[in-house]
Amino acid sequence: DAGVTQSPTHLIKTRGQQVTLRCSPKSGHDTVSWYQQALGQGPQFIFQYYEEEERQRGNFPDRFSGHQFPNYSSELNVNALLLGDSALYLCASSETWGTEAFFGQGTRLTVV
Amino acid sequence: AQSVSQHNHHVILSEAASLELGCNYSYGGTVNLFWYVQYPGQHLQLLLKYFSGDPLVKGIKGFEAEFIKSKFSFNLRKPSVQWSDTAEYFCAVRKYGGSQGNLIFGKGTKLSVKP
Repeated sequence: DAGVTQSPTHLIKTRGQQVTLRCSPKSGHDTVSWYQQALGQGPQFIFQYYEEEERQRGNFPDRFSGHQFPNYSSELNVNALLLGDSALYLCASSETWGTEAFFGQGTRLTVV
Repeated sequence: AQSVSQHNHHVILSEAASLELGCNYSYGGTVNLFWYVQYPGQHLQLLLKYFSGDPLVKGIKGFEAEFIKSKFSFNLRKPSVQWSDTAEYFCAVRKYGGSQGNLIFGKGTKLSVKP
């Protein structure tokens, strides 16, 4: 049983560009959350998707947007990239009423 | 706003030493509490969680944590660490009844165990 898978594993982008990160949840999970982990910090909640809608959002600007597909997979889009967006982006999946979030290995985004 | 404080940034221990990592949170209501571990090159994994009941929670790999409500603390302990425990440890809090996604994490404590 595959766990949470994210792609790509590493990415280098230039300031001002746009990026899309992808996440496939663990089998049987229908809820996907995204986190940003800057160097030396803990993960920070970006938003959560359930039933193809954004259900909760953390303190991130509108440049960060997402999508969830009918198969529960999800994308994170970041527009107008800033140097400060360089971080590890983590996807976590869970069941609707589950007690545990399972994390993927993350996508390391570097903005130059 | 909710916050989570992990007091130690980097802890260095010898094998067989005892471990205690501190975690305090700032939310006054009912919370769910978690410890996650991130081994080098691997994804975040759940060590243990507290939802209700016995405040002493046992997790995987011999770890345990104690919830002390009056101190807003959820410290992680292990009686005897091994070299394989070298990893980064994150404490996380979720408001009771909140969605599974909305975890508030501390900054993490890096544990280095010398063989």
